[in-house]
Amino acid sequence: QLQLQESGPGLVKPSETLSLTCTVSGGSISSSGYNWGWIRQPPGKGLEWIGHIHHTGSTNYNPSLKSRVTISVDTSKNQFSLNLRSVTAADTAMYYCARQYGGPSDSWGQGTLVTVSS
Amino acid sequence: DIQMTQSPSTLSASVGDRVTITCRASQSIRSWLAWYQQKPGKAPNLLIYKASTLERGVPSRFSGSGSGTEFTLTISSLQPDDFATYYCQQYISYPYTFGQGTKLQIK
Repeated sequence: QLQLQESGPGLVKPSETLSLTCTVSGGSISSSGYNWGWIRQPPGKGLEWIGHIHHTGSTNYNPSLKSRVTISVDTSKNQFSLNLRSVTAADTAMYYCARQYGGPSDSWGQGTLVTVSS
Repeated sequence: DIQMTQSPSTLSASVGDRVTITCRASQSIRSWLAWYQQKPGKAPNLLIYKASTLERGVPSRFSGSGSGTEFTLTISSLQPDDFATYYCQQYISYPYTFGQGTKLQIK
């Protein structure tokens, strides 16, 4: 059974870079037809799609974050990562990684809460 | 960006009720719509994709319909496990966008 697990710091200072990694187990990140994405949810609020990556390295990002975000993939480790630069308090959220098949996210990590605060 | 609007924002219902949640898109998304259920402290769970296709393992009391700009999620007979927040998502164009959510609570 496919499992995704987010990891990374739970606290990031303003203006610094938020870095998270998603480790995929029970399946290959190189499987055909899938994108691997990040979605976030501020406390008490709704869901925001951040972007996704194909195992070939092709990416799509939300334009609202595009200038600050990079998603990368390491197929040898079966992992993909999120970097979000120049963070502010508005970036405080639960961050989820997910597998996306043609658009919908059919398998999710449990999420990791990242707080931006000095 | 395509705006997704759900109604109502909150819905109170009882076990056994039939409930319907509506999702409207700001432009046609054909049938490229998904529905998710999210319980407190948990990741969302995919229920339906392509507007009406039930994800594997999802109970048949859940159903979806619609195309173009108007969609519905129906739960035919509410069970205690169904009280949660529901989100729609369009995936016809980037950025993928979600509705603001509908909280289904016990009456």
